[in-house]
Amino acid sequence: QVQLVESGGGVVQSGRSLRLSCAASGFTIRNYGIHWVRQAPGKGLEWVAGISNDGSNKDYADSVTGRFTISRDNSKNTVYLQLDSLRDDDTAAFYCARDWFGSGNFDAFDVWGQGTLVTVSS
Amino acid sequence: DIQLTQSPSFLSASVGDRVTITCRASQDISSYLAWYQQKPGKAPRLLIYGASTLQGGVPSRFSGSGSGTEFALTITSLQPEDFATYYCQQLDTYPYTFGPGTKVDIK
Repeated sequence: QVQLVESGGGVVQSGRSLRLSCAASGFTIRNYGIHWVRQAPGKGLEWVAGISNDGSNKDYADSVTGRFTISRDNSKNTVYLQLDSLRDDDTAAFYCARDWFGSGNFDAFDVWGQGTLVTVSS
Repeated sequence: DIQLTQSPSFLSASVGDRVTITCRASQDISSYLAWYQQKPGKAPRLLIYGASTLQGGVPSRFSGSGSGTEFALTITSLQPEDFATYYCQQLDTYPYTFGPGTKVDIK
């Protein structure tokens, strides 16, 4: 069964750090780019960061640049998101998603994890 | 950054209705647009990619259209399981922005 499973969320004080993990099963993660998307309580989806299949390219939303770092270990079929200098407005459910290319060479996020909740308290 | 707007932000409809949600991009994104459905407490589900290609396993009552800056998601004959929030997303340029969402509720 193709799936992504996030872990590492929790309650953390403002200014502290947290590392999220996204473990893949049922497929070989080295063939896919992976992204993190977050959703604050009652709000919409916000793309956070993405990493290419080999880790050579990384991109970040302006709101997290310099504070969050995406990385991957293909030997462990896992992608990580390091969250540093956390702020109250980082409180959200964090999802990882697979970047898949369909017909016409158009891509989309076709597999999503169940999400892990990060709560930042001041 | 490319901004996406969706209209309406909220839509009240009945089972069997035809529903159309529009998504407008702040610049030309060709057909690099996807549509997702999200239900409360669940992860988003991919419906449409490449602006108009139906993802496998998605019912044919869903369809997407448009290119450039104007896009639409249409649901013909709304079913009870379709009441959810719908998001568009551009995959033309980083950051891969999402629209603000359209909540489809039961009239």
